[in-house]
Amino acid sequence: EAGVTQSPTHLIKTRGQQATLRCSPISGHTSVYWYQQALGLGLQFLLWYDEGEERNRGNFPPRFSGRQFPNYSSELNVNALELDDSALYLCASSQGLADYEQYFGPGTRLTVT
Amino acid sequence: AQTVTQSQPEMSVQEAETVTLSCTYDTSESNYYLFWYKQPPSRQMILVIRQEAYKQQNATENRFSVNFQKAAKSFSLKISDSQLGDTAMYFCAFMTGAGTASKLTFGTGTRLQVTL
Repeated sequence: EAGVTQSPTHLIKTRGQQATLRCSPISGHTSVYWYQQALGLGLQFLLWYDEGEERNRGNFPPRFSGRQFPNYSSELNVNALELDDSALYLCASSQGLADYEQYFGPGTRLTVT
Repeated sequence: AQTVTQSQPEMSVQEAETVTLSCTYDTSESNYYLFWYKQPPSRQMILVIRQEAYKQQNATENRFSVNFQKAAKSFSLKISDSQLGDTAMYFCAFMTGAGTASKLTFGTGTRLQVTL
């Protein structure tokens, strides 16, 4: 069974641009979580989608947004990129609202120059 | 708000020895879940072990076991017979158990180096 996949592996953008990161959950999983792992800040929760709806949002500005598609894959968009947005972005999936175990993808390394 | 504290930024252990990683947390909730995740240099986060707060019995997964002290809000991970492949960052994480699943709140991690 395939695990959580993320694309691209690496992404280099310049300040002010927009970045789009993609995540495909494990087959049968309906929940997708996004986390930011920035150097020195640890893992911070960004967004949670389940069955196409945004369930929860972390303490991030509105320029961080996303969506979940009917096939449960998800997209994270970061607008007006800032240097501090450089981080590893991790996606995790679970079987839904009653599943307490999250399985992570390999991440997308975003570098903003 | 819940907080998770890992007070050991780095640890080292020799192969075949036992090591214990510490984690404390703060919450006012009575029902919650605790996890240990491993992040090797390949950066893929791997779930190592999970503990439900309502269970008194400590969770065990092969060479990995936890010491869950609910009153002390402590959740340590013991790795027995350490192997070179155990070299990784280890994160302790908390999830509220209030009805539905939720976000994970992570500690800052402990970097474990297993040496020959």
